[in-house]
Amino acid sequence: QSVLTQAPSVSAAPGQKVTISCSGSSSNIGNNYVSWYQQLPGTAPKLLIYENNKRPSGIPDRFSGSKSGTSATLGITGLQTGDEADYYCGTWDSSLSAWVFGGGTKLTVL
Amino acid sequence: QLQLQESGPGLVKPWETLSLTCTVSGGSISSNTYYWGWIRQPPGKGLEWIGSIYYSGSTYYNPSLKSRVTISVDTSKNRFSLKLSSVTAADTAVYYCARHGPVYGDYLDHFDYWGQGTPVTVSS
Repeated sequence: QSVLTQAPSVSAAPGQKVTISCSGSSSNIGNNYVSWYQQLPGTAPKLLIYENNKRPSGIPDRFSGSKSGTSATLGITGLQTGDEADYYCGTWDSSLSAWVFGGGTKLTVL
Repeated sequence: QLQLQESGPGLVKPWETLSLTCTVSGGSISSNTYYWGWIRQPPGKGLEWIGSIYYSGSTYYNPSLKSRVTISVDTSKNRFSLKLSSVTAADTAVYYCARHGPVYGDYLDHFDYWGQGTPVTVSS
């Protein structure tokens, strides 16, 4: 059971927008930065968003992040078939003194 | 461009110790800015953080694995290593090494660079 809760799956049509949520508590999301990772099939995870809403160089602005209270959200606009992947949130948990990941959300672009 | 490469046996017997090394190129592991971590992913499952280390040897470990995990660093060879003892089939996974983002306080931040991962199977 993950400390951070994500829906197992989400789907949307090409060109549409989708949001992926990550729910936690005051000891993790509520007081620490959230990051998001994209894992394409058979590959290593890749950083998409860090410090809640910042994009690393090379990540298109179709990807966005936000945080409110003890929840965080990843938004993807203009969906492409190449966006089909597993998406994970992650953050520091101050009570556990540990890094924690969400269980992951599988995005299907129909 | 920073690169991380995992190496080690792909098959480990039950109750033995899993040993992996992550070699860093294109940057120094001795930077006072970053922690370096290990993450694993069992087949068909999500990511699990194992632990992380600073160039000085300071470590953070996953509480659920702490009794079996040792992470060490060799600055002379620009690499860090993972040892996981008394392994069982539940430790079968792809193991990744990665770099944390800059350290600003008593916490760890995002993972910005990842290795390609190395599969490890625990079986007799």
